Amino acid sequence: GEEVAQTPKHLVRGEGQKAKLYCAPIKGHSYVFWYQQVLKNEFKFLISFQNENVFDETGMPKERFSAKCLPNSPCSLEIQATKLEDSAVYFCASSQSKAGELFFGEGSRLTVL
Amino acid sequence: GESVGLHLPTLSVQEGDNSIINCAYSNSASDYFIWYKQESGKGPQFIIDIRSNMDKRQGQRVTVLLNKTVKHLSLQIAATQPGDSAVYFCAETDPYSGAGSYQLTFGKGTKLSVIP
Repeated sequence: GEEVAQTPKHLVRGEGQKAKLYCAPIKGHSYVFWYQQVLKNEFKFLISFQNENVFDETGMPKERFSAKCLPNSPCSLEIQATKLEDSAVYFCASSQSKAGELFFGEGSRLTVL
Repeated sequence: GESVGLHLPTLSVQEGDNSIINCAYSNSASDYFIWYKQESGKGPQFIIDIRSNMDKRQGQRVTVLLNKTVKHLSLQIAATQPGDSAVYFCAETDPYSGAGSYQLTFGKGTKLSVIP
């Protein structure tokens, strides 16, 4: 597609439940990035992929967060046993190269109650 | 409503005036800088970028200035319009951070309000 598509737009989970977010990058873009935005302000880098391979996961909380980009499927970000502090908007972005312009999706808002 | 504790620097300008949004960065190894515009409920949208071997770059109605000596970046918007109202973020990349993936480090954001 011509834009980064993220689903769902909104997701509400009770504390301890699982949350899974999806991202379809722009067709032809090899790099996918996930960012977390808390309180409409700070962005935190989580993880990046080059095609289906993890490129940089230095921002990922190790215990409960996982992500995948499988061939012919949307990329996914999964949070096991969600906590209140996971409430945020999760943005996916894609680019043609690792240092190229990033195109962001509209984000998925996760609310943990 | 807005979350308790949210505190964004705000710049209010009259329509037609010029706007200047500033950003200080701390990593002297950063070599690529980008300004993003984020409208309510949307993802960041690329405005303009600059590499560390330049000190000024101009686009349509926008200019980015980079002062590496004091690690300062600014975005100038000429003839500001109501459609420019948004939160503006600077972002930087250091090719040696993380796994060298050019992950972006975002600044805190400035809310621009244009008064018609």
